[in-house]
Amino acid sequence: AQTVTQSQPEMSVQEAETVTLSCTYDTSESDYYLFWYKQPPSRQMILVIRQEAYKQQNATENRFSVNFQKAAKSFSLKISDSQLGDAAMYFCAYEEGATNKLIFGTGTLLAVQP
Amino acid sequence: EAGVTQSPTHLIKTRGQQATLRCSPISGHTSVYWYQQALGLGLQFLLWYDEGEERNRGNFPPRFSGRQFPNYSSELNVNALELEDSALYLCASSPGERSTDTQYFGPGTRLTVL
Repeated sequence: AQTVTQSQPEMSVQEAETVTLSCTYDTSESDYYLFWYKQPPSRQMILVIRQEAYKQQNATENRFSVNFQKAAKSFSLKISDSQLGDAAMYFCAYEEGATNKLIFGTGTLLAVQP
Repeated sequence: EAGVTQSPTHLIKTRGQQATLRCSPISGHTSVYWYQQALGLGLQFLLWYDEGEERNRGNFPPRFSGRQFPNYSSELNVNALELEDSALYLCASSPGERSTDTQYFGPGTRLTVL
């Protein structure tokens, strides 16, 4: 069964600085999708970025980018020029192809210091 | 474009009662997913509906059930409520049943069982 591990329960970053959140996963599939979702205190789960495993190029969305290492089964999220609004719980997720279900990590709580 | 909506925002029930949670997907989306976010258990996949049919079910007892209506909205029913059912229930929708489709989440329903 697929598993997703986020080893950093909490992280802190200064405003305007860069922070990297770690995620590793385990799967025997060769084609799959990975996601980072953000959940602020409002509870709304917001899509941050998506990576398709068959693409070697790392996905980017404005200040957010990933470092996808397929062989190492690693999928880290880099947030550049951190803003106060980035403070939230960040979840890494793996989409199981046969069932469409998302398998989530335990989350990393990111604090942004002014 | 309106996002995924869920009602009610909060729901308080007593043990043994039944709870009904509702979800309206993004316009044009045919797939609806339900997830449970309980303290200490993280995000767990509950159910997936597409085109009115249940396509997949997570590891939850039969007292968790649901349905999808012709307009693609969905209900989650929880019978014989237990204290451990207290959680945030998140609904997500996607354009179709392909695993390539990204799931977009609603704001959730907070269920409290007393």
